[in-house]
Amino acid sequence: EAGVAQSPRYKIIEKRQSVAFWCNPISGHATLYWYQQILGQGPKLLIQFQNNGVVDDSQLPKDRFSAERLKGVDSTLKIQPAKLEDSAVYLCASSPVGQGVYGYTFGSGTRLTVV
Amino acid sequence: QQQVKQSPQSLIVQKGGIPIINCAYENTAFDYFPWYQQFPGKGPALLIAIRPDVSEKKEGRFTISFNKSAKQFSLHIMDSQPGDSATYFCAAIYNFNKFYFGSGTKLNVKP
Repeated sequence: EAGVAQSPRYKIIEKRQSVAFWCNPISGHATLYWYQQILGQGPKLLIQFQNNGVVDDSQLPKDRFSAERLKGVDSTLKIQPAKLEDSAVYLCASSPVGQGVYGYTFGSGTRLTVV
Repeated sequence: QQQVKQSPQSLIVQKGGIPIINCAYENTAFDYFPWYQQFPGKGPALLIAIRPDVSEKKEGRFTISFNKSAKQFSLHIMDSQPGDSATYFCAAIYNFNKFYFGSGTKLNVKP
């Protein structure tokens, strides 16, 4: 079974620029999550999709972050404009409905550096 | 508000030692408590998970001890190896799919 694919692996941008990350979940996983992991901290949920609908985006800074999941498969997360404090690893995870922790799989993440 | 508090921040043990990582939580509505292992450049990978009605669970060299009354749980790694050197995260799950992670423990197992 292929894992959760993310790209790019690394991105360096200047503050106030925009950036986008892409995630392809495991085939058949209806639920997709984006997390932000700041260096030295645990992952923090930004947004959760079920199919192509948003379930929880309460911690997404909506003035600069946006995410979409068209057709209920791939997803993109965008930051515009980026700030220095957005430097982090952005992790995507997916899970099938109803399997809880055992079906939950993380990708390797995109490391963003804002300079 | 940090839902899950993890300690220590870092840990160094000799090969064969038993590192212990601790986590504490407040919300009694959490319904699952997993531990994740993360290597540099990789996403977290599930190690072991426990339900709140179980006091201990073992999988290979990894053991979770759970104290419901104290609202604490811990990870023990038996006979630790240099390959276990990684960052470990505890988590608490609400409503079966909302995860709250601890801040992580960087473990270094010396040969």
